[in-house]
Amino acid sequence: DQQVKQNSPSLSVQEGRISILNCDYTNSMFDYFLWYKKYPAEGPTFLISISSIKDKNEDGRFTVFLNKSAKHLSLHIVPSQPGDSAVYFCAASKDSGGGADGLTFGKGTHLIIQP
Amino acid sequence: NAGVMQNPRHLVRRRGQEARLRCSPMKGHSHVYWYRQLPEEGLKFMVYLQKENIIDESGMPKERFSAEFPKEGPSILRIQQVVRGDSAAYFCASSPSYSNQPQHFGDGTRLSIL
Repeated sequence: DQQVKQNSPSLSVQEGRISILNCDYTNSMFDYFLWYKKYPAEGPTFLISISSIKDKNEDGRFTVFLNKSAKHLSLHIVPSQPGDSAVYFCAASKDSGGGADGLTFGKGTHLIIQP
Repeated sequence: NAGVMQNPRHLVRRRGQEARLRCSPMKGHSHVYWYRQLPEEGLKFMVYLQKENIIDESGMPKERFSAEFPKEGPSILRIQQVVRGDSAAYFCASSPSYSNQPQHFGDGTRLSIL
């Protein structure tokens, strides 16, 4: 069973516009959520995280929103840049630190930024 | 991904051989995690270790797979008598011992079974 779901395998966005990547989860025990970016032949790179006690976290062009009642989170990238083209993974943890528990990953969304 | 070092980057084995994958965590990190990624899939958690201890191996197959993180040296993921289905990318991550810190990943080992 897929406890973390990213229902869009791919997303195409024009450069300069907003990219919105979505993620749903089913396990109510998850209390820490992370977004990773991955280029081919490289490991995932940590982007941004959010604890379940918050509903928004912002870091530069990246903002993560968490809706606990809907078990849904989203990553907003604005403005989108060509270098943002990559696969984005949503991950969840049952530990508030995210560092002391194995992460559960979604299958990823391939973001393509078009010039 | 600077900091978490995995080697080799690519490993080719014939069916029945053993595969050893190594991971050196970031400096100052005492927690190590191993994940496996099959084509077109997300990463799947395998095992979580601290120095000399396996904390959670719930994601690791019961047979042929083992992991260690000795007091000295890198963490090792060992796969005995490899089969074609073991072909995948294996990623290692590390984190510090205190909480509220994300895991940081290495660039992985691509294991191919002939």
